[in-house]
Amino acid sequence: EVQLVESGGGLVQPGGSLRLSCAASGFTFSNYWMSWVRQAPGKGLEWVAHIQQYGSEKYYLDSVKGRFTISRDNAKNSLSLQMNSLRAEDTAVYYCGRDIINGYLQLSYIEYWGQGTLVTVSS
Amino acid sequence: DIQMTQSPTSLSASVGDRVTITCRASQTITNYLNWYQQMPGKAPKLLMYAASKLQSGVPSRFSGSGSGTDFTLTISSLQPEDFATYYCQQSYSTPWTFGQGTKVEIK
Repeated sequence: EVQLVESGGGLVQPGGSLRLSCAASGFTFSNYWMSWVRQAPGKGLEWVAHIQQYGSEKYYLDSVKGRFTISRDNAKNSLSLQMNSLRAEDTAVYYCGRDIINGYLQLSYIEYWGQGTLVTVSS
Repeated sequence: DIQMTQSPTSLSASVGDRVTITCRASQTITNYLNWYQQMPGKAPKLLMYAASKLQSGVPSRFSGSGSGTDFTLTISSLQPEDFATYYCQQSYSTPWTFGQGTKVEIK
């Protein structure tokens, strides 16, 4: 069974940093792209970033470029999101997701989602 | 960035009703269009991918259609467990973007 479990959320002051983790199990982690998606309280979904299987390609939402860094440790089946210079508008539940990306079949989507971890940026 | 616009933003319907949600992209996305269902307080769940392909385990009352810029999600006969918020998402180019969501409520 595919499981994605996020951790690391909490309350942080504006300008502060936080590192989120996502522990993956039930599948061969190194075979998949992985994503972070967030949802501000009462709002819709916003894709944040994703990373290729071996970390050689990373893509970000413009508003987090230069502040957030996505990374992975395939030996530990773990995905991370280092968030620096946090702003109030970064307050959200952050979900990690397992991507399916297949250019040949023209498929790309987030197949599985974790339960999320809440990040609150406030003084 | 590609903008995704869903309509309606909310709807009220009864069990057994046929429900249609539309999603429009600001530019062509061929068939790189996915649909997710989100229950309150829960993580999103994949329903449809590539515009019309049903994710494994999703009931066949859900269907999707469209290509280019205009897409629809149809629930042929609404069930009590279908009352949720539905999001479309384009994966044609990064940043991947979502529609604002359609909340399906009980009439």
